[in-house]
Amino acid sequence: QLVLTQSPSASASLGASVKLTCTLSSGHSSYAIAWHQQQPEKGPRYLMKLNSDGSHSKGDGIPDRFSGSSSGAERYLTISSLQSEDEADYYCQTWGTGVVFGGGTKLTVL
Amino acid sequence: QVQLVESGGGLVKPGGSLRLSCAASGFTFSDYYMSWIRQAPGKGLEWVSYISSSGSTIYYADSVKGRFTISRDNAKNSLYLQMNSLRAEDTAVYYCARDRFDYWGQGTLVTVSS
Repeated sequence: QLVLTQSPSASASLGASVKLTCTLSSGHSSYAIAWHQQQPEKGPRYLMKLNSDGSHSKGDGIPDRFSGSSSGAERYLTISSLQSEDEADYYCQTWGTGVVFGGGTKLTVL
Repeated sequence: QVQLVESGGGLVKPGGSLRLSCAASGFTFSDYYMSWIRQAPGKGLEWVSYISSSGSTIYYADSVKGRFTISRDNAKNSLYLQMNSLRAEDTAVYYCARDRFDYWGQGTLVTVSS
């Protein structure tokens, strides 16, 4: 069964970097995913599509501070030079027979 | 620019029906798959359904199969979700999204309560 696993929460200081992780279930390590950001009281916003080889394509207007990488079944979202507006929920998502979302990671900027 | 605007949400009693709409602009609607996704209060995102560009391929989440129907009108650049036999657990903000989820609407709230 295709499942995406995310840590429920993460925190990092203003100006620092943070790396969020999304783990694909066993047997699905070759799958591409997408990362989405949801700021408080707003709809989701597409950040990037991330392939198994680490190549990624970002959405319109997404700053260079956001980058993606991959290792095995792990997909990462790195945010550098953290700003207050980066405090949000981050969801990974992939495609199987249907569409699967991870449970989301709530990022707190200290 | 790409815009997706949902409408049709509201308060409905359990067992009732509601039809959501998503008006698309800024791109060639007929070229893209479209999806509905929902988010219950305080919860994460849950995919509901998607439809191919022509409407010939449709998939539903198990939680809504047999109760919800997705459709589209390419001449009107519109996506729809007919929701029947609504339950309390269908209460959520409903979003439409384009193809690979690269654009999302702002959402419309559906509340199922007596």
